[in-house]
Amino acid sequence: GQNIDQPTEMTATEGAIVQINCTYQTSGFNGLFWYQQHAGEAPTFLSYNVLDGLEEKGRFSSFLSRSKGYSYLLLKELQMKDSASYLCAVRDRNYQLIWGAGTKLIIKP
Amino acid sequence: TAGITQAPTSQILAAGRSMTLRCTQDMRHNAMYWYRQDLGLGLRLIHYSNTAGTTGKGEVPDGYSVSRANTDDFPLTLASAVPSQTSVYFCASSRGTGDQETQYFGPGTRLLVL
Repeated sequence: GQNIDQPTEMTATEGAIVQINCTYQTSGFNGLFWYQQHAGEAPTFLSYNVLDGLEEKGRFSSFLSRSKGYSYLLLKELQMKDSASYLCAVRDRNYQLIWGAGTKLIIKP
Repeated sequence: TAGITQAPTSQILAAGRSMTLRCTQDMRHNAMYWYRQDLGLGLRLIHYSNTAGTTGKGEVPDGYSVSRANTDDFPLTLASAVPSQTSVYFCASSRGTGDQETQYFGPGTRLLVL
């Protein structure tokens, strides 16, 4: 079967750095996405990786290792508004997105 | 632009009743999707449409039907609701279905089936 694993919950301090990991086992791989979802709201797109390496976008960076079936989302200079769930999704060989359950990130002052 | 709109925002439905969740996008996207999101689980694909006039089944299609008569609208119908269909339903769209195509989500419909 297909599987996306993420930690259920993480806690970090305002101003700090946090890394959210995602491991996947899917039938085929056509890219990995990270989305942010605030409580009660829709998911919104953060990043896309299809090649190995780091993609940087402001305070957020995303890393991919296809050989290890592994990605992480790195959030720097954490702000209270970063409190949200972060969803990892992999596009499989049928071009459908397979979603992880999400990591709830709690930011403390 | 409005992006994707969904209606209703929330609904309480008696088991056995039917209901249609509406989804409209104004981005002229070719592909549209319906997901359900349940606590502790990832988004699960119910049905999808790669282009107007075509539809396909996702991971959890049973009890649901869709139609795609035009580019903008993608309604989801529950023919006879059951309590296990209590969930948050998200409609999404993307320009196409290629590798880099990003899916954009509507605000969701919260459905409680009693």
